Amino acid sequence: RKEVEQDPGPFNVPEGATVAFNCTYSNSASQSFFWYRQDCRKEPKLLMSVYSSGNEDGRFTAQLNRASQYISLLIRDSKLSDSATYLCVVNQDGQNFVFGPGTRLSVLP
Amino acid sequence: SAVISQKPSRDICQRGTSLTIQCQVDSQVTMMFWYRQQPGQSLTLIATANQGSEATYESGFVIDKFPISRPNLTFSTLTVSNMSPEDSSIYLCSAGTSGSYEQYFGPGTRLTVT
Repeated sequence: RKEVEQDPGPFNVPEGATVAFNCTYSNSASQSFFWYRQDCRKEPKLLMSVYSSGNEDGRFTAQLNRASQYISLLIRDSKLSDSATYLCVVNQDGQNFVFGPGTRLSVLP
Repeated sequence: SAVISQKPSRDICQRGTSLTIQCQVDSQVTMMFWYRQQPGQSLTLIATANQGSEATYESGFVIDKFPISRPNLTFSTLTVSNMSPEDSSIYLCSAGTSGSYEQYFGPGTRLTVT
């Protein structure tokens, strides 16, 4: 089993749709969790950290379920500019950052 | 956040040669990392660059192939040694601070080995 797994995608959704991405991790000692987005031929950029209580940033909501070792990202009211690959990242004590394979999102007009 | 620059942005190299990639951060950071991203793939951590000591390599990566330096808190280099076409990839530097563990990435170096 891979350390970090994500929905394989791609997700093709119309503008305005709500879309959710799932991520599971295998290392129960993992302590920090992040979502990054990566545009085509660009470097990954931090989208948001994921906190135990869940957190929201505008149209983006991240959830963490430690018992199930599961992280999610919800995007509401999708925009064309949201089209990118979304990477789930899991970390243990500042070492051993592990990136998931990514889920590609295309928001269609 | 930190602003990170990398040099070169891209290069085409011949088999058997070596290339050194430079990474510069605009502020002092605790952590610096080197990643590889092959076409259509996610990122794979090569090593953690430790300031003033040997880098910590991930499984499958060795110092002889990927020597790393980090002489201070804002600068690191990665050398890809004795290159083969399989080394063709994007190499990314990242930096962050302990505590938050958020990472910020440089723009990457696109390496093609012929």
